[in-house]
Amino acid sequence: TQLLEQSPQFLSIQEGENLTVYCNSSSVFSSLQWYRQEPGEGPVLLVTVVTGGEVKKLKRLTFQFGDARKDSSLHITAAQPGDTGLYLCAVTPLGGSEKLVFGKGTKLTVNP
Amino acid sequence: ETGVTQTPRHLVMGMTNKKSLKCEQHLGHNAMYWYKQSAKKPLELMFVYSLEERVENNSVPSRFSPECPNSSHLFLHLHTLQPEDSALYLCASSQEVVAVINTGELFFGEGSRLTVL
Repeated sequence: TQLLEQSPQFLSIQEGENLTVYCNSSSVFSSLQWYRQEPGEGPVLLVTVVTGGEVKKLKRLTFQFGDARKDSSLHITAAQPGDTGLYLCAVTPLGGSEKLVFGKGTKLTVNP
Repeated sequence: ETGVTQTPRHLVMGMTNKKSLKCEQHLGHNAMYWYKQSAKKPLELMFVYSLEERVENNSVPSRFSPECPNSSHLFLHLHTLQPEDSALYLCASSQEVVAVINTGELFFGEGSRLTVL
């Protein structure tokens, strides 16, 4: 069974639309990270959240860590073609002794 | 100069070939990683090195052989691969091993796209 479930798997939208993608699990995490991987590139860290209920904003991107620290959402306002990419969540399970675990990702395409 | 560079970017090899992937980081980090990225699967951690010492080997077949001669360089030696080994191989580095400090950031290279015929 997967530790992390990311949804949706694929999302294709028009420029200017809003969207939300999710990262869910039944396990509690000590921290959660979101990475974006553009086509032909390696993943790049967008944000790290560590406190339950935490909300972080990065320009048009809003990240939320669930109160119980089991899930997270990423909301993009007024999407642009440059937002196209694979959005990956990665977690450190409680205890801190295990490796960083990645989800399968959400592949976002923003059409001009 | 980018932080983590990987060569080659693309590699096509037959099942009997021997080739190597190279990774170099210019960030002064102590930890380096090899990940495998296949379609419809999560990123799979293969190997972790901390200060040139291998600290994790995730049941990777012996046809993949890592080498870390110093904290800036990491190699993945490939021999007698199978077609199912075709994937994007990503190298990453971090200041320390990420699991130890929980919130550490991984810096990835652009990856080496491997095709095994």
